[in-house]
This record gives sequence, structure tokens and C-alpha cells, in this order.
Amino acid sequence: NAGVMQNPRHLVRRRGQEARLRCSPMKGHSHVYWYRQLPEEGLKFMVYLQKENIIDESGMPKERFSAEFPKEGPSILRIQQVVRGDSAAYFCASSPPVRSYEQYFGPGTRLTVT
Amino acid sequence: ELKVEQNPLFLSMQEGKNYTIYCNYSTTSDRLYWYRQDPGKSLESLFVLLSNGAVKQEGRLMASLDTKARLSTLHITAAVHDLSATYFCAVLQGAQKLVFGQGTRLTINP
Repeated sequence: NAGVMQNPRHLVRRRGQEARLRCSPMKGHSHVYWYRQLPEEGLKFMVYLQKENIIDESGMPKERFSAEFPKEGPSILRIQQVVRGDSAAYFCASSPPVRSYEQYFGPGTRLTVT
Repeated sequence: ELKVEQNPLFLSMQEGKNYTIYCNYSTTSDRLYWYRQDPGKSLESLFVLLSNGAVKQEGRLMASLDTKARLSTLHITAAVHDLSATYFCAVLQGAQKLVFGQGTRLTINP
């Protein structure tokens, strides 16, 4: 059973470009979470999604950031017009519909904005 | 707002010694988690603590939870170099959101 998959693992963008980060949850998992980890810090919650629904986006910056989890395909975290401060590791986690408190983390995408 | 604080943030110790990492949190929660992270890697789940007085052990690591004091500890016994990593505690807020501590960077010297 494959774990949570994220791609790309490393992403370099110039200021002003768009970044798209993908997350495929574990098989049978219908809940997806995105967290951001700035250098030398802990992870910070960004958004919680179920298929076709955003359940909690209280940690998402108000501008430039959006997330989706379509009926088919991976969850996407999109950052428009990236700035240097967006450089971070972005982790996706997934959980099953029952026991949703068990979150399994993906390997992360390390975004560098130059 | 739930806050989670770990101490110490940096810990350098010798092999063979014992030490404890502390995790305090500010509001009631049903679950507390401990994770390990190696440099440039993802998080590895170590323990999930569900109730007051819970104690779990795996190898040289033992975690405990006191919900009344809102305190969890991660105790390292007879440390070995392989345990060098950053350790995070996280507390469940509501049904699904994890709130993480700042992390404790542990370095174990031969």
C-alpha cells in the first residue's frame, strides 16, 4: 500500500511565477491536509479538504494561495505570484474517513523562490 | 487559540545518557502526537497518546501524557547516535487540525 505521494519533491520558481504542488493521498483516504514548514520551525496547518470540499482553510494566507481536492485526481496547492517568503517545505497528510485523527504525512515538496 | 510549546529547543547530549523533552499545551485536547524528523525528510510518527496517564514505549523512547497538567514528556534512555533528529509534539485541535510545537533538535555525541 503506497503511502502519501507528493510531487514534485523540489520546486524552484522565480518571484512572480506560479507554483503547483500535488498530493495523492493513501488508498482509501478521503481527507487531505496541507501544512507548511518554514526553515527551523514546526509545521503550521494551512487547509483541510475532503473530496470536492474545503472543510477548514483557517491557516491559508488570504491572498495568492488556494487549494482543491477534486473528485478525481490529486489534491493541488496553488501559490500564485510567489515571493521569497513562500520558500518552505510543504507537507501533505491524509487520513481515512473513520479515525480521521490518524494523519499520515507525505515526503514534502521543498519550494525555493529565487 | 491553542499553543504548543516544547523545551528545550536544542539539546546536545552524550551517548549513554538519559534526557527528557517536555511539551506543554494551552487548551484541552483529546490526542497528543510525537514525531521524529531527520534533516530534509518527512515526519515519522512515533507515538499517539489518547488519555490521561497514557504511557507508550518503543525502544529507547518513552512518551507519557498528563492531560490535567497539559504536559507530555518524551524520555530518552541511554541515548545512541541514531536518535539524533528533530522531535516534534503536536496536539489535535478540534477533530482534525494538528498544532505543532517548535521542535527539539537533539544531537547525540559519541
